[in-house]
Amino acid sequence: GENVEQHPSTLSVQEGDSAVIKCTYSDSASNYFPWYKQELGKRPQLIIDIRSNVGEKKDQRIAVTLNKTAKHFSLHITETQPEDSAVYFCAVADEKLTFGTGTRLTIIP
Amino acid sequence: DTAVSQTPKYLVTQMGNDKSIKCEQNLGHDTMYWYKQDSKKFLKIMFSYNNKELIINETVPNRFSPKSPDKAHLNLHINSLELGDSAVYFCASRGGATIGAETQYFGPGTRLLVL
Repeated sequence: GENVEQHPSTLSVQEGDSAVIKCTYSDSASNYFPWYKQELGKRPQLIIDIRSNVGEKKDQRIAVTLNKTAKHFSLHITETQPEDSAVYFCAVADEKLTFGTGTRLTIIP
Repeated sequence: DTAVSQTPKYLVTQMGNDKSIKCEQNLGHDTMYWYKQDSKKFLKIMFSYNNKELIINETVPNRFSPKSPDKAHLNLHINSLELGDSAVYFCASRGGATIGAETQYFGPGTRLLVL
């Protein structure tokens, strides 16, 4: 089955700086890659996704890049703010979501 | 926010008991899921139903039995609860596999604590 690795497991960033989270996957047939943000005690919520026919997608301060050949994709958050503090999960989707192990992002004011 | 709802939100029970968690979605989606999030925050698929039919069962013990009375509801019954069942259980739904419909939406979670 699909195997998704995510790094780093924890990340502390000064407010205003950028944060990057990276994921690799194993199944080259995968073609949909969502990112979820989970705040403490809350449900995972989709923040951005990318399909295999594009290499990059941006939504305000959040961007995702995908390298299908290398089977890795990354989340980039620019101009980080305290409310970006959360656990972020990458996922690879077919008939189910296979999640990465999560990154706990802490924004230091 | 009420698109995917779960009850109860919290469940504290003794080992050996039987309990149920209910999930409902009002998005008109065909596919529903149960995921388990353990204490280390790992999120893992348990079951998936499409139009009331089981399509994914990820080697979950037989003590866990999902039931889908209609495509808007997916319930999870757990028999003979064990300490290791303590986790947060999330229900999710998805419109389909076509582009634009593959996003999964999660319920608020049910925090199960087995004592």
